[in-house]
Amino acid sequence: NAGVMQNPRHLVRRRGQEARLRCSPMKGHSHVYWYRQLPEEGLKFMVYLQKENIIDESGMPKERFSAEFPKEGPSILRIQQVVRGDSAAYFCASSPPSVGSGNTIYFGEGSWLTVV
Amino acid sequence: KNQVEQSPQSLIILEGKNCTLQCNYTVSPFSNLRWYKQDTGRGPVSLTIMTFSENTKSNGRYTATLDADTKQSSLHITASQLSDSASYICVVSPDRGSTLGRLYFGRGTQLTVWP
Repeated sequence: NAGVMQNPRHLVRRRGQEARLRCSPMKGHSHVYWYRQLPEEGLKFMVYLQKENIIDESGMPKERFSAEFPKEGPSILRIQQVVRGDSAAYFCASSPPSVGSGNTIYFGEGSWLTVV
Repeated sequence: KNQVEQSPQSLIILEGKNCTLQCNYTVSPFSNLRWYKQDTGRGPVSLTIMTFSENTKSNGRYTATLDADTKQSSLHITASQLSDSASYICVVSPDRGSTLGRLYFGRGTQLTVWP
């Protein structure tokens, strides 16, 4: 059973370009979460999605950032017009429903975005 | 404000020694607390999960404790190994019995084990 798959693992973009990060959840998981980790900082919640629905996007910056989890295919985190401050590791996680009851949330290996 | 504070920020110990990492949280309501291990350049890996009714949980050489009254948790590592060198992250979930997965992360304790 493959784990949470993220790609690309490393991405370099010039300022003003777009970055697209992909996440395929574990088989059977319908819940996807995106987190951002800045250097020397903890992981910060960005967005929580179920298939075709954004459940909680309270951690997403208001501009330039968007996320989707279509009926078919991976979840996509899209960053438009990237700036140097977007350089970070972006982690995707997935879980079955009812994570509040203590089900494990599994993380991918992360996508490292560098903006030059 | 929902926060998770960890201490110490970093720790160096010799191989074979024990150590204890601390986590204090103000997240409310509280559902469960998780400890994750994150190797450099990798994603976090779950070590333990404790609900509000549990006060201790072990996973091999890792033992986590939880005091929901004082909102404190600790992770005790026994007979440390070089491979234990990593960041240990305390994570708190505020949601109880729901499908919402919002988690609050501490900044982690960077543990280095020397031979």
